[in-house]
Amino acid sequence: TQLLEQSPQFLSIQEGENLTVYCNSSSVFSSLQWYRQEPGEGPVLLVTVVTGGEVKKLKRLTFQFGDARKDSSLHITAAQPGDTGLYLCAGLYYGNNRLAFGKGNQVVVIP
Amino acid sequence: DADVTQTPRNRITKTGKRIMLECSQTKGHDRMYWYRQDPGLGLRLIYYSFDVKDINKGEISDGYSVSRQAQAKFSLSLESAIPNQTALYFCATSAGQFSTDTQYFGPGTRLTVL
Repeated sequence: TQLLEQSPQFLSIQEGENLTVYCNSSSVFSSLQWYRQEPGEGPVLLVTVVTGGEVKKLKRLTFQFGDARKDSSLHITAAQPGDTGLYLCAGLYYGNNRLAFGKGNQVVVIP
Repeated sequence: DADVTQTPRNRITKTGKRIMLECSQTKGHDRMYWYRQDPGLGLRLIYYSFDVKDINKGEISDGYSVSRQAQAKFSLSLESAIPNQTALYFCATSAGQFSTDTQYFGPGTRLTVL
């Protein structure tokens, strides 16, 4: 059972366009993390969101944690080819120090 | 130098062979993890260790074993490899002090079992 559903699984856009990807669950998380993975490398943490409704910005990337702490979104403004990668969300359950990962959103930005 | 290293980076082996994947870290973290990544399935936790004397099974531990030789070293063994263990394997570490701790991943080992 996949506890974290990420959508869309694959997204291809032109440079300069905006995009939003989603991470949804029926479970409540104490925190949620977003990682980016590039080919041949391990995932690298982008952000951790902890408070329901929290919004964090990392340059052109905006992350939001849902009010109910069950879902999150990642919005990229004016996407660039360097944004290409697999975006993974990972949730931390209350009382558990293990992360559960979604399958990822594969984003391709075409120059 | 990389903080989390994995050896080998690529390995091709045959069904029934024993194989060990090694992970070393220079971050001084107590917590270490082994994951496998499969297309369409994402990252799944195999084993994790919160300190040298603590080993725990993850969600897919069958067919695998681990050894925490030191704070800095955590190895994953496949006693008798089978083709469905073909995957990309990642080691990760975290400081473990807070629930929001970052996990730092190694570069991965691509394992093919023929």
